[in-house]
Amino acid sequence: EPEVTQTPSHQVTQMGQEVILRCVPISNHLYFYWYRQILGQKVEFLVSFYNNEISEKSEIFDDQFSVERPDGSNFTLKIRSTKLEDSAMYFCASSESGAGANVLTFGAGSRLTVL
Amino acid sequence: DAKTTQPNSMESNEEEPVHLPCNHSTISGTDYIHWYRQLPSQGPEYVIHGLTSNVNNRMASLAIAEDRKSSTLILHRATLRDAAVYYCILRDAINNDMRFGAGTRLTVKP
Repeated sequence: EPEVTQTPSHQVTQMGQEVILRCVPISNHLYFYWYRQILGQKVEFLVSFYNNEISEKSEIFDDQFSVERPDGSNFTLKIRSTKLEDSAMYFCASSESGAGANVLTFGAGSRLTVL
Repeated sequence: DAKTTQPNSMESNEEEPVHLPCNHSTISGTDYIHWYRQLPSQGPEYVIHGLTSNVNNRMASLAIAEDRKSSTLILHRATLRDAAVYYCILRDAINNDMRFGAGTRLTVKP
């Protein structure tokens, strides 16, 4: 079964450092997403991406965050200057279509620890 | 996405059916009802979705009330592996920002 692949599985970084989390979506999917989950809390939507641009973003997704699809296979989330509160699991997802009946497939997540 | 209401937690015995309720009284005519679950230490996983009619797949069944203001996810025979947080989410036809609520934490007892 096709799957969404995320790397790294765990990253430890110092506060103020830049972090890039990588995702390989399912190959025929056109819509891409990032979510985060702080330990013990709910899954929070960050951003959706289609046709090389952001289609929706949440209030969490501020100027510290950016997304990019640098080539035909990868989808990345960059955090420019990490803060302690950025420590969380970050999940990438992809879907064939957007809204309504579309189904998201999630990756296993990347755990970010900011010290 | 319109709001949903789910119980915080439920318990079930292994090999018995489980009915997980969801209320969505402000649902609009074009909102799809989606269910996802999150097993411990894993990413969310799609379970099932529907619009008006009841739906069945290999994982579960979705029963949708006639007025669509509530729905029930049915696991026909719970296993220990079904212990997870189950999320009921409404998806409209326009916005591409699927948002999770707190969900229902299902505990399955052997």
